[in-house]
Amino acid sequence: GAVVSQHPSRVICKSGTSVKIECRSLDFQATTMFWYRQFPKQSLMLMATSNEGSKATYEQGVEKDKFLINHASLTLSTLTVTSAHPEDSSFYICSAREGTGTREAFFGQGTRLTVV
Amino acid sequence: AQTVTQSQPEMSVQEAETVTLSCTYDTSENNYYLFWYKQPPSRQMILVIRQEAYKQQNATENRFSVNFQKAAKSFSLKISDSQLGDTAMYFCAFIHNAGNMLTFGGGTRLMVKP
Repeated sequence: GAVVSQHPSRVICKSGTSVKIECRSLDFQATTMFWYRQFPKQSLMLMATSNEGSKATYEQGVEKDKFLINHASLTLSTLTVTSAHPEDSSFYICSAREGTGTREAFFGQGTRLTVV
Repeated sequence: AQTVTQSQPEMSVQEAETVTLSCTYDTSENNYYLFWYKQPPSRQMILVIRQEAYKQQNATENRFSVNFQKAAKSFSLKISDSQLGDTAMYFCAFIHNAGNMLTFGGGTRLMVKP
């Protein structure tokens, strides 16, 4: 399958700072990328959907000013957690889909964010 | 809106035996895809198997097979000859043909015991 690379895999940041997570599709062009948050022992919770060159669509309850998503190219989407707080500590996962012909999504390795 | 339900939060199986994970879904659509994803301790989501709703034949990938019952809206995963490396969270997921987002079930934690 196609490869999605997510970086960093782990990050620790101080409360009040911002942290950026990158999601890259390595061998295909991703017209749509998705950002999820996963709490321990729970399923993936969709945060937002981003399409290249347009604004992200956020799910209800997700603060768009806190979780900034940029999908500037067909191979890169970024999630910036702004003014991070300890409650933002979580596991964040991106996924990407190639075009509209396939329904399969490919996932990055995830990022463990710890805010201290 | 569609929903996906996995009624077994945790399961265990002895190595080399067979285990079946349940998944039911609710949708009014006729054309869709169903997936089983595996999330091992590394937390990398891995696609295990995919089923197109228009196909009557159950999908099979080596030791993994599904029992797709469209009328019953059921999509169970059978793992044969279980291996220690099969220990993971398993998520059932659904997407419409024309949809954009996967809908995930709550997951089943599978432990393969030696």
